[in-house]
Amino acid sequence: QVQLKESGPGLVQPSETLSLTCTVSGFSLTSYSVSWVRQPSGKGPEWMGRMWYDGDTAYNSALKSRLSISRDTSKNQVFLKMNSLQTDDTGTYYCTRDTMGTRDYWGQGVMVTVSS
Amino acid sequence: DVVMTQTPVSLSVSLGGQVSISCRSSQSLVHNNGNTYLSWYLQKPGQSPQLLIYKVSNRFSGISDRFSGSGSGTDFTLKISRVEPDDLGVYYCGQGTQYPNTFGAGTKLELK
Repeated sequence: QVQLKESGPGLVQPSETLSLTCTVSGFSLTSYSVSWVRQPSGKGPEWMGRMWYDGDTAYNSALKSRLSISRDTSKNQVFLKMNSLQTDDTGTYYCTRDTMGTRDYWGQGVMVTVSS
Repeated sequence: DVVMTQTPVSLSVSLGGQVSISCRSSQSLVHNNGNTYLSWYLQKPGQSPQLLIYKVSNRFSGISDRFSGSGSGTDFTLKISRVEPDDLGVYYCGQGTQYPNTFGAGTKLELK
């Protein structure tokens, strides 16, 4: 069955770099794309960027200068790195499987707080 | 960026009742390939969003036929009939046609 699970630190200092890992099972990263989506508490989701099944990437232009998405297909993992974190980057970060222009499966999410 | 506007912000319903949620996009969601990538998601309290409807009107695997999606271009609607307790939460529309993909701010469905 399709599963995605995010992992990473729950607390990040302002101006530091966030590193998250999405570990997937039940599908291949060379057949499906994976996105990162974040959601501040009480607000709608925000699409951050995508690792395409062919290894290409796409980013939200609002985050592009700070964001990098990569993968290790042998480990079934997709990585997110975002630098220069500020307090408004606080929220829950999800990885999702993308297909047919939608996100059909979502991970459980990881709560990230940016605070000193 | 494509702005997704959902109305109403919140909705009260009696169990067994019917509700409609509107989602309007600031630009047409018809892709160059002819598909319209408009989806609906439900986020139950304390959970991740889950896919209900994709490409305007297609129900995702395991989703009840009490949920139906319709619309075209920039104007879309989600209808829920015979509302059950498990339907309560926040509904989001989202578009996958243009970069960046964007979501609405949500409609909270509560019990009357």
